[in-house]
Amino acid sequence: EAGVAQSPRYKIIEKRQSVAFWCNPISGHATLYWYQQILGQGPKLLIQFQNNGVVDDSQLPKDRFSAERLKGVDSTLKIQPAKLEDSAVYLCASSLGASRQTQYFGPGTRLLVL
Amino acid sequence: AQKVTQAQTEISVVEKEDVTLDCVYETRDTTYYLFWYKQPPSGELVFLIRRNSFDEQNEISGRYSWNFQKSTSSFNFTITASQVVDSAVYFCALPSGSARQLTFGSGTQLTVLP
Repeated sequence: EAGVAQSPRYKIIEKRQSVAFWCNPISGHATLYWYQQILGQGPKLLIQFQNNGVVDDSQLPKDRFSAERLKGVDSTLKIQPAKLEDSAVYLCASSLGASRQTQYFGPGTRLLVL
Repeated sequence: AQKVTQAQTEISVVEKEDVTLDCVYETRDTTYYLFWYKQPPSGELVFLIRRNSFDEQNEISGRYSWNFQKSTSSFNFTITASQVVDSAVYFCALPSGSARQLTFGSGTQLTVLP
């Protein structure tokens, strides 16, 4: 069974530029999560989708971050404009359902904002 | 609020030594799950185990074992006869919030020296 796919794996941009990350969850997984992991810290949730609806985006900086999962399968996370403090690893995870289900993570996208 | 504490920031052992990684948690939930994930240098979070708060029996999987003690709110992870390939950051996590997103500890960097 294929795991969670993410692209690109690495991205370097200058501040104020925009960037987009893509995630394809495990087939059949209804719940999709985007986490931000700053160096030396544990991942922190940005947004959670159940199918194509947003369950929780309370930690998403909505002035610059946006995410969508239009067809309830793959998802895109966008940052516009990027700031230096956005440098982090962006992890996508998926699970069969939200409640107490195991989350499986993709390889992440390492973003460096100069 | 949910909280996960991993007090050991870094641990270094020599190959074949046993090592225990500590995890202490806080939760107001009466039933809950606890997770351990491994993050090797490649960056992907690898699921290791999920335990239900109802089940306090120790679990063993090969060289890995977990000790769950509800009375002390701890869920410790032991690697027996450590190997160089065990070098990674290990995270303990607890679902939180109405959407059950994972709250991670800050992680323990384990280095196994040959």
